Amino acid sequence: KQEVTQIPAALSVPEGENLVLNCSFTDSAIYNLQWFRQDPGKGLTSLLLIQSSQREQTSGRLNASLDKSSGRSTLYIAASQPGDSATYLCAVDDMRFGAGTRLTVKP
Amino acid sequence: EAGVAQSPRYKIIEKRQSVAFWCNPISGHATLYWYQQILGQGPKLLIQFQNNGVVDDSQLPKDRFSAERLKGVDSTLKIQPAKLEDSAVYLCASSLGASLNTEAFFGQGTRLTVV
Repeated sequence: KQEVTQIPAALSVPEGENLVLNCSFTDSAIYNLQWFRQDPGKGLTSLLLIQSSQREQTSGRLNASLDKSSGRSTLYIAASQPGDSATYLCAVDDMRFGAGTRLTVKP
Repeated sequence: EAGVAQSPRYKIIEKRQSVAFWCNPISGHATLYWYQQILGQGPKLLIQFQNNGVVDDSQLPKDRFSAERLKGVDSTLKIQPAKLEDSAVYLCASSLGASLNTEAFFGQGTRLTVV
């Protein structure tokens, strides 16, 4: 059974810092991994989808990497802004989610 | 392009009552998912449909939860009877294809409070 873990559970950084969020999964035989953002009281917004044949995807200030062999993915956020404050979730294949990392970017 | 639509946005019911949620996925999306998200946790998959067939309902509490997607388009999720621990946000998502390599899109969710 696939288990998805996200560390840290919460993170607070000052505006402008670069940061990394981590996602690990127990079964490396995956087809894809998605990163989502969730604002309080809202649904999830897809940020990046990495297919198993890819090692990374980039969108603006976001870069997600995938290392299947080690069962890990990272989401890198460059030059963080207060508007990036949200919960970030990763999900693999059949949409098994981690518990998320709650990010706060302080002005 | 319209997104995934869910209704109602909020619902408060007493325990042992029944409740139903509705989801209309993005047009043309074959796969539809229902999730339960308890406060502070990640979403938990309840059921996955491929058109009008069930792909995965292994985590659906079948003694009280049921879901259907009769025409392979919109879907309803029902809880009968509700328990206090069912208080959560119920999220619906859809994706284009049957392949696991397609992006999923979420609705805003229905926040259920059982008192």
